[in-house]
Amino acid sequence: DIQMTQSPSSLSASVGDRVTITCRASQTIYSYLNWYQQKVGKPPKLLIYAASRLQGGVPSRFSGSGSGTDFTLTISSLQLEDFGTYYCQQSDSTPPYTFGPGTKLEIK
Amino acid sequence: EVQLVESGGGLVKPGGSLRLSCAASGFTFSNAWMTWVRQAPGKGLEWVGRIKSQSDGGTIDYAAPVKGRFTISRDDSKNTLYLQMNSLKTEDTAVYYCTTVGFLAGTVAFDIWGQGTMVTVSS
Repeated sequence: DIQMTQSPSSLSASVGDRVTITCRASQTIYSYLNWYQQKVGKPPKLLIYAASRLQGGVPSRFSGSGSGTDFTLTISSLQLEDFGTYYCQQSDSTPPYTFGPGTKLEIK
Repeated sequence: EVQLVESGGGLVKPGGSLRLSCAASGFTFSNAWMTWVRQAPGKGLEWVGRIKSQSDGGTIDYAAPVKGRFTISRDDSKNTLYLQMNSLKTEDTAVYYCTTVGFLAGTVAFDIWGQGTMVTVSS
């Protein structure tokens, strides 16, 4: 099975900062990579699919890049409402559709 | 409005059984692929299993930790997804979410999520 790792596991940043989260797959997943945001007590929300495509309604300050095994999620200018935990997920061909362990983003 | 509403969670003893339901509305359920994802308290997300639409063969796949104990099914006449959980273990304690599987730009993503239902396995 494909394993996913994320770094950092947590970070603290200020409003207006540029934030980058990294996700790595144990083997190539081409561009089959999704990003989700989850706030405490709420279900996850799809932010980005196919590595770089923004889901409808998601602010343009969010962007994704990468292909193969290495991917990044970038928030260009952090806002208060962006706190939460971010998960990457691979969706290459057949299941299991593995999630990364998550990155907890706190606002300073 | 597209909506998924899970129900059926609760407290069950190790070795026991529970059936979760996920009622869908606002979209053509019979055409949808559906999944279950769980999240243990304070932990990350874990994919549990997926069922394809009947028109796509109705294939079901499971994650290794639940294979042979959990069964996913669907009743398209009731717009409802099910998760039958048998031989429950303490490590199955989690919030269980149902999600739709979206086909977006050639990839698969979980685009609509329910609010989740809590399952606690404890003696």
